[in-house]
Amino acid sequence: GQNIDQPTEMTATEGAIVQINCTYQTSGFNGLFWYQQHAGEAPTFLSYNVLDGLEEKGRFSSFLSRSKGYSYLLLKELQMKDSASYLCAVRDSTGRRALTFGSGTRLQVQP
Amino acid sequence: DVKVTQSSRYLVKRTGEKVFLECVQDMDHENMFWYRQDPGLGLRLIYFSYDVKMKEKGDIPEGYSVSREKKERFSLILESASTNQTSMYLCASRISNEQFFGPGTRLTVL
Repeated sequence: GQNIDQPTEMTATEGAIVQINCTYQTSGFNGLFWYQQHAGEAPTFLSYNVLDGLEEKGRFSSFLSRSKGYSYLLLKELQMKDSASYLCAVRDSTGRRALTFGSGTRLQVQP
Repeated sequence: DVKVTQSSRYLVKRTGEKVFLECVQDMDHENMFWYRQDPGLGLRLIYFSYDVKMKEKGDIPEGYSVSREKKERFSLILESASTNQTSMYLCASRISNEQFFGPGTRLTVL
């Protein structure tokens, strides 16, 4: 089975940096994903990590440590439009090809 | 642009009714998925399919069935809707490492 934990809510200030953590336990690992979901909308893909280290994509970066079962999503130069839920998801190595999602972290960006 | 569409954004049904939720993708993806999303529980996988006429149970298949007669269409069926199936239902299709989600159907069962 798989277990994914991430904080329920976070608040940050416009222009600041915020780090959203995700820890996971899985019987096999084949990639970690971050999705963004605005209220009432579908999740959209942000990043994918399968090897240890940092992947940078504009203002967003994602980090993975497989030995620690840990990832974080880093958002820089926060904008009001970044207020959304951020979903951490893990794909296992059984070939199931589907993702197991955490409950999501709701980020509120304040002026 | 990949497009995943779902037949309804909002749906209200009565207990015991048979409910069909339709999902269509236009990018020839082999893998398609149905999730439900509930507050505090995140997205949970109901069923998935990796080819026409192929289906596999996800984590919470009870009370649901699916149909994949054509590659582009993946249907979720509630044989006899119950109030605990009130939820947001999200369809997705997948190519490589990226899943694309439809806009979701908010189903209310009275």
